[in-house]
Amino acid sequence: GEKVEQHESTLSVREGDSAVINCTYTDTASSYFPWYKQEAGKSLHFVIDIRSNVDRKQSQRLTVLLDKKAKRFSLHITATQPEDSAIYFCAATNSAGNKLTFGIGTRVLVRP
Amino acid sequence: EAAVTQSPRNKVAVTGGKVTLSCNQTNNHNNMYWYRQDTGHGLRLIHYSYGAGSTEKGDIPDGYKASRPSQENFSLILELATPSQTSVYFCASGGTGIEQYFGPGTRLTVL
Repeated sequence: GEKVEQHESTLSVREGDSAVINCTYTDTASSYFPWYKQEAGKSLHFVIDIRSNVDRKQSQRLTVLLDKKAKRFSLHITATQPEDSAIYFCAATNSAGNKLTFGIGTRVLVRP
Repeated sequence: EAAVTQSPRNKVAVTGGKVTLSCNQTNNHNNMYWYRQDTGHGLRLIHYSYGAGSTEKGDIPDGYKASRPSQENFSLILELATPSQTSVYFCASGGTGIEQYFGPGTRLTVL
């Protein structure tokens, strides 16, 4: 089945700098790649997604890049703020499109 | 605002006991999911459902059953709880090609 590897377990950045989280997946038929954010002690909520028909999507300070050839996608956070501190999960659909497989999460810490 | 609620929020159970975790959604989504979150594993899918009366096995279904009696409700059942099932459980509604809305989570401890 699909496997999603999230390469950075923790990321510490200075406020105002950029943060980049990288994920790879195994199923070439995956077509949908969402990102979720989990703040300390809270549940997950959706932040941004990308579909396989595009290679870039931006929403305010968040940009997702998708490289289908390399089976890699990444989340870029620009001008980081303290409220960006959280665990970020990447995910990918399986070939049947009926399940999401999540990465293990990246803890992002934004230092003042 | 989409809403997914879970009960109980915290549960302590004994080994061998039966545990039922409940989830309710007011989003009118057809699909609902049960995940568990463990350090080092991220979120793993236990069971999911396409609608009332349907349940499907996820990636780690062993030791768990699921029930979807209505569009709004989806339960996760541990018939014989074991300490390895100590975890945080999240219910979600939505889809695989669209945003999933997560509940607040249930922290389960099996002693």
